[in-house]
Amino acid sequence: EAGVAQSPRYKIIEKRQSVAFWCNPISGHATLYWYQQILGQGPKLLIQFQNNGVVDDSQLPKDRFSAERLKGVDSTLKIQPAKLEDSAVYLCASSFHGWELFFGEGSRLTVL
Amino acid sequence: AQSVSQHNHHVILSEAASLELGCNYSYGGTVNLFWYVQYPGQHLQLLLKYFSGDPLVKGIKGFEAEFIKSKFSFNLRKPSVQWSDTAEYFCAVNAGNNRKLIWGLGTSLAVNP
Repeated sequence: EAGVAQSPRYKIIEKRQSVAFWCNPISGHATLYWYQQILGQGPKLLIQFQNNGVVDDSQLPKDRFSAERLKGVDSTLKIQPAKLEDSAVYLCASSFHGWELFFGEGSRLTVL
Repeated sequence: AQSVSQHNHHVILSEAASLELGCNYSYGGTVNLFWYVQYPGQHLQLLLKYFSGDPLVKGIKGFEAEFIKSKFSFNLRKPSVQWSDTAEYFCAVNAGNNRKLIWGLGTSLAVNP
């Protein structure tokens, strides 16, 4: 079975620029998550989708971060404008039921 | 607020040593408990999980964890570690009606050959 696909794997941008990350979950997985993982910390949930509806976006900095999951399949996470503190790995995960999450490789963002 | 504490941030062991990583959570009701592992350069993957039943849970690669409700703990164990167990280990808890997974800060394990 194909895993969770993410792109790009690495991105370097200047502060105030914008960036977008893409995620394709495992086929059939209704729930999709975006996490931010800063070096030395555990994953922090940014947003959770159930199909194409948002379940939880309480920790998403909505002034600069946005995410969508059109058609309930793949998803994009956008940051505009980026700040230095946004440097992190952005993890996408999906699950079919329960709480077993399957993670992608992550997208490492460096903001200079 | 619910929280998860992992007591050891960095652990260094020699091969064949025994491993125990601590995980404690703060919630008095029903919990679902997880250990995830992240090998160098790889994605996070589930090591084992506890939902209900036998509090001693066996996972992949010889790992096990014991849920002790009275101690709010879910410690990870392995009798004899290998160099390939070098990784970052995360404990995560989903508690009650809260649909959010709460993660610990992780424990970095280095196993010397």
